[in-house]
This record gives sequence, structure tokens and C-alpha cells, in this order.
Amino acid sequence: AQSVTQLGSHVSVSEGALVLLRCNYSSSVPPYLFWYVQYPNQGLQLLLKYTSAATLVKGINGFEAEFKKSETSFHLTKPSAHMSDAAEYFCAVSSTSGTYKYIFGTGTRLKVLA
Amino acid sequence: DGGITQSPKYLFRKEGQNVTLSCEQNLNHDAMYWYRQDPGQGLRLIYYSQIVNDFQKGDIAEGYSVSREKKESFPLTVTSAQKNPTAFYLCASNIAGANEKLFFGSGTQLSVL
Repeated sequence: AQSVTQLGSHVSVSEGALVLLRCNYSSSVPPYLFWYVQYPNQGLQLLLKYTSAATLVKGINGFEAEFKKSETSFHLTKPSAHMSDAAEYFCAVSSTSGTYKYIFGTGTRLKVLA
Repeated sequence: DGGITQSPKYLFRKEGQNVTLSCEQNLNHDAMYWYRQDPGQGLRLIYYSQIVNDFQKGDIAEGYSVSREKKESFPLTVTSAQKNPTAFYLCASNIAGANEKLFFGSGTQLSVL
């Protein structure tokens, strides 16, 4: 069965510092992986997705993620945090069993300190 | 503009009452989904539908029901059998396929009076 684990339910960084949000997955087949962002009282919007075309994926708002098969990881990074990055971030994996279900991690809330 | 519309934004349920959450999309997507979001638990799948007149239970379907009579609509009913309904409910849709991103509505916050 596929699963996603996000380490750290809360992460705080200073404005201008590196953002690193961790995601590890479990899958018996090559997965499709996604990062979504959620601002307060809103739905989720896609930051980026991995579909095996390239291991380093660039997304919106300066975020990127690297797929590492040996570590079963798909960590999200941004070189320099901005106050507007404060939000909750979700890693997700898409089931390849034919049902196209999406399995979400428990989320990481990012706080950016001035 | 294309998108997903959820209504109402806030909903209150009395004991023993059924309530229905609306979800409409004009993106011409085949697949639609309902998720429940509780603090610290991420998103959990309630029901999903890949095609009109067909839907499948997700991981936490007990106490909920859905219908898919039209491609653009996927209403969720929270029945009185759902004993802990207070949560943020999100509807999503996409082109059916394992690598297709989900488009989300802005959610409905359901609370118990």
C-alpha cells in the first residue's frame, strides 16, 4: 500500500532563510508525487508534481523538490523564505492501482519569522 | 472563470439532522472527490467518483452519502449517523489519471450546534 509521511507538523524559519519541508513515501511502483499549499480557510493549490520526467522539479513561487528514489524522499525546498510563504504544505502520492486515489500526508505548517 | 464552487462556506448541524454540502465544477472534469480535513490529520478521502452515476467509498465513508447524477455536480450528505461531523470539507476534481493534479474548492466548515 502506498503512504506518505511528512516529518514535522510545524516548521519555523526566519525570513530569507532556507525552507526545507520533508516528505517520505512508500510505494511498490514508481509513484506520482505532489506538493500542495493551503492558505487559511482555503482549498489546496498545486505547487509542483513529479511524474518521472526529471528528478528535480521546479514549481511556483520559487519552490522546488527533488525526487530521490534511494531515500524514498521528495523534500520541498525554497532558498529564501518570504512572509507570504506562511501556510500549510501537503505532500501527496497518487495511487497507480487503477483507482487514481490520492493519499495525503498530515501536513506541515510553515511559520516565517520577521 | 473555470473552477470549483463549494457552498455554503459555513454550515451548522443540529443533532439528528442530515445536511448536504454542495460542490459544482465547470472544468469538464470526469473525476470528483470529497475530503475531510481535521487539524493534524491531513486530508482523508470520503468518496470519489470517476464517472457520472458511479462512485466509490473512500477511507472514511461511514456516515456520509453522495450522488453523481450530473458531471458537474457531486453533493455530499452528512447523515445523522456521522457522530463527529465537525470538520473542514474539501471538494476536488480532476481529469481522471494518476498524474493529474487536483483542483480544489474553497471548502465548507461544518460545525455541530
